[in-house]
Formats: sequence, C-alpha cells, structure tokens
Amino acid sequence: GENVEQHPSTLSVQEGDSAVIKCTYSDSASNYFPWYKQELGKGPQLIIDIRSNVGEKKDQRIAVTLNKTAKHFSLHITETQPEDSAVYFCAASNRGGTSYGKLTFGQGTILTVHP
Amino acid sequence: DTAVSQTPKYLVTQMGNDKSIKCEQNLGHDTMYWYKQDSKKFLKIMFSYNNKELIINETVPNRFSPKSPDKAHLNLHINSLELGDSAVYFCASSQYSVSGRDSSYGYTFGSGTRLTVV
Repeated sequence: GENVEQHPSTLSVQEGDSAVIKCTYSDSASNYFPWYKQELGKGPQLIIDIRSNVGEKKDQRIAVTLNKTAKHFSLHITETQPEDSAVYFCAASNRGGTSYGKLTFGQGTILTVHP
Repeated sequence: DTAVSQTPKYLVTQMGNDKSIKCEQNLGHDTMYWYKQDSKKFLKIMFSYNNKELIINETVPNRFSPKSPDKAHLNLHINSLELGDSAVYFCASSQYSVSGRDSSYGYTFGSGTRLTVV
C-alpha cells in the first residue's frame, strides 16, 4: 500500500518568513495530493490540493509543487503569520484505483510562527 | 450549520465498557470514513463506506464495528474498550463519484471525539 513520509516533524519560523514542508510517497499510481491544516482541538481542514496532471498550484500565500518522477510534493507558505501556527498534514491517494480515494497521511508537521 | 458533526466530543469510560460514536454529514457526500489519531497526531484510516456499503476495512480489531444506516450517517461502536483505544476519532466525508477538472476530491472532517479509557 501507499506510504507517505513527511518532513520536518517540527518547524519554527519568524513572522514574515517562508515555511516549506516536504513529503514523499511510494505508490506511483497515486494521483491526488491534498494538504490539511489542523488547529488545536479541531479536525483537519483542507487548505490546498494538487492532481498529478499539474506541477504547481498556488492560492494566495500558499503553494504546492509536485514532482511525479521523484514522487515528492511540497507545501510552501510565504509571509507567515502567527495564525498559520498549526499541525500540517500531507496526504496521497489513487483516485482511479480500488481504494475508493482512501487518503494516506504523512506524520504531520508542527509549524510555529513566532511574532 | 455544521457540515460533519460527531457526538460526543468527549468520552471518558472504563475498560471493558461498550460505547458508540455517531457521525452525520449534510454535504450530500457519498463516502464516509473513520480515522483514528493517536497521541503522536498520526492519522490512520479505519473504515470507509460508500453509499452505505463497506469498502475499506483496515486492520482494526473486530471489537470495532461501523454501521451506516444511510449515506449521511456513519456510526462507530466499540466493544470491550481497552486502554490502547484511547485516541481522537475523526469522521470524514467526501464525494467519490465526481469527475471534471474542478471537482473537489477533498475530505471534510468532523471536529473529533476524544476517547479516554481509564
């Protein structure tokens, strides 16, 4: 089955700096890669996703890049703000396979943005 | 109007008891999931139902039994609770049967049920 590795496990930045979180996946059939943000006491919330037919996607201060050949994808947050502090998860799934879009998650990254 | 709602939010119970967690979604999604989040924050899928049919059943003890009375509800019943069952359990839903470039494949998660077995 799919295995997703996520790094780093913790990331501390100053307000205004950029933050980058990286993930690798094992199943070359995976074709959908979402990123989730989980704030304390809440469920994970989808912030951005990318499909395998696209190499990059951007939404305001966040962007995701995908390298299918190397089987890795990254989340980039620019101009970080204290409210960006949360746990971030990457995930991967094979939308056309028999797993019915089951998401396999990375281990999570605790992002802390210092004012 | 909460999209995916779980009850209860907190559950404290003794070892050996039986308990249930309920989940409802009002998004019209056709697929629902149960995920377990352990103390290290790792999210692992337990079960998934598509239109009331069980489609994913990971390696979960058979003390855990999901039930989906209709595609908007997915409940989780746990028998003979053990200390190791303590975790946060998340329900989620998505629309699997979509197509098109702009269709959303994303999951919508509930706010979680924190289960503590003492």
